[in-house]
Amino acid sequence: QITLKESGPMLVKPTQTLTLTCTFSGFSLTSSGGGVGWIRQPPGKALEWLAIIYWDDFKHYSPSLQSRLTVTKDSSKNQVILTMTNMDPVDTATYFCAHNDFGAYYFDYWGLGTLVTVSS
Amino acid sequence: SSELTQDPAVSVALGQTVRITCQGDILRTYYAIWYQQKPGQAPTLVMYGKHTRPSGIPDRFSGSNSGSTASLTITGAQAEDEAAYYCSSRDSSGNHWMFGGGSRLTVL
Repeated sequence: QITLKESGPMLVKPTQTLTLTCTFSGFSLTSSGGGVGWIRQPPGKALEWLAIIYWDDFKHYSPSLQSRLTVTKDSSKNQVILTMTNMDPVDTATYFCAHNDFGAYYFDYWGLGTLVTVSS
Repeated sequence: SSELTQDPAVSVALGQTVRITCQGDILRTYYAIWYQQKPGQAPTLVMYGKHTRPSGIPDRFSGSNSGSTASLTITGAQAEDEAAYYCSSRDSSGNHWMFGGGSRLTVL
């Protein structure tokens, strides 16, 4: 059974760097293929894809946020880490991580999400 | 265009059929993916590929594609189908994802 869970600060100040961790189980990001993506959702608004990291360490980022995003993985801990620099109140959102099966173009398992508020 | 467009709000009478649409040029290349999201919950995958439902998704959900328009049809809508529905696709590079603005379905 695949599960994912996001963790990180609930509140960050403007200009700070956000670091979120996705801890997963039921699959491996070493040799089994697939990847973990990050998606966010501002309150009352639509989903927005942010980034993805694959088992072979290939990464892709949203073109509009690429300069601010970094995604890494710690396969020994079954974790994926997302950092976003220079946080702004418009970045207030629920941040989700989700599993992408090998060769698939959808996210089949999602974490519950974590709400991050950007405010001074 | 590089966007996916959805009607913000859709309604259906209980037990009737409703079609939720998603428009975008990229859908001529890739099949749309559909997610259901209920308030306070994470999205749930309900349709992918030409018309593939993940395990556990009722067969009243079906998908279709025509040109630049993808549709998610619910035949015999139930109260529990009331939710926001998002379409999604990869972009033309194949390396990035995009989401539509979402359609909020009300079951009357």
